[in-house]
Amino acid sequence: EDQVTQSPEALRLQEGESSSLNCSYTVSGLRGLFWYRQDPGKGPEFLFTLYSAGEEKEKERLKATLTKKESFLHITAPKPEDSATYLCAVQAAYSGGGADGLTFGKGTHLIIQP
Amino acid sequence: GAVVSQHPSRVICKSGTSVKIECRSLDFQATTMFWYRQFPKQSLMLMATSNEGSKATYEQGVEKDKFLINHASLTLSTLTVTSAHPEDSSFYICSARRGVETQYFGPGTRLLVL
Repeated sequence: EDQVTQSPEALRLQEGESSSLNCSYTVSGLRGLFWYRQDPGKGPEFLFTLYSAGEEKEKERLKATLTKKESFLHITAPKPEDSATYLCAVQAAYSGGGADGLTFGKGTHLIIQP
Repeated sequence: GAVVSQHPSRVICKSGTSVKIECRSLDFQATTMFWYRQFPKQSLMLMATSNEGSKATYEQGVEKDKFLINHASLTLSTLTVTSAHPEDSSFYICSARRGVETQYFGPGTRLLVL
């Protein structure tokens, strides 16, 4: 069974204080690892897709990296508007039976204080 | 690009009634759409995978007769919660897959069953 564990559950930072969020996963063959941002009462907003170990992607203050067992979302000099829940999800190479969805972690609730 | 809409955004109904939620991909065609459910402070749980023109594939523990899914076109999938009960109250979110991997999510529908 595919599993995704995110840590920490919650993180409070001062504006400008860089940090990293962790996503550990076990999957029967990784087809893709995804990072999303979710604001309260809204659907997840796509950030990144990573496919293979060693891959990195950047977008503004965010950078996602991937190893064979985990992924990190690095946040550099965050601003209050970066406050949100960050979700990590994996898609297995073969789900079987036509089911093809993502397995999500519980997320990291990030608060950036001014 | 990659915009997914849901309607309604919020619905309140009486126990025993049925509720239909629409999910539309506005600027791309999606052969596969997904339905997720999210309880407060929990992550997204996949309910079913919906492929255009064929029957949906449901995750273990999800009653297919209670949660009816129809994917009539490449831009529209519907979820009908039949004979809704208070325990069905939740945040329902759809996603549409664009290309090979990435899923783009709708804004979600908050269902409250009284």
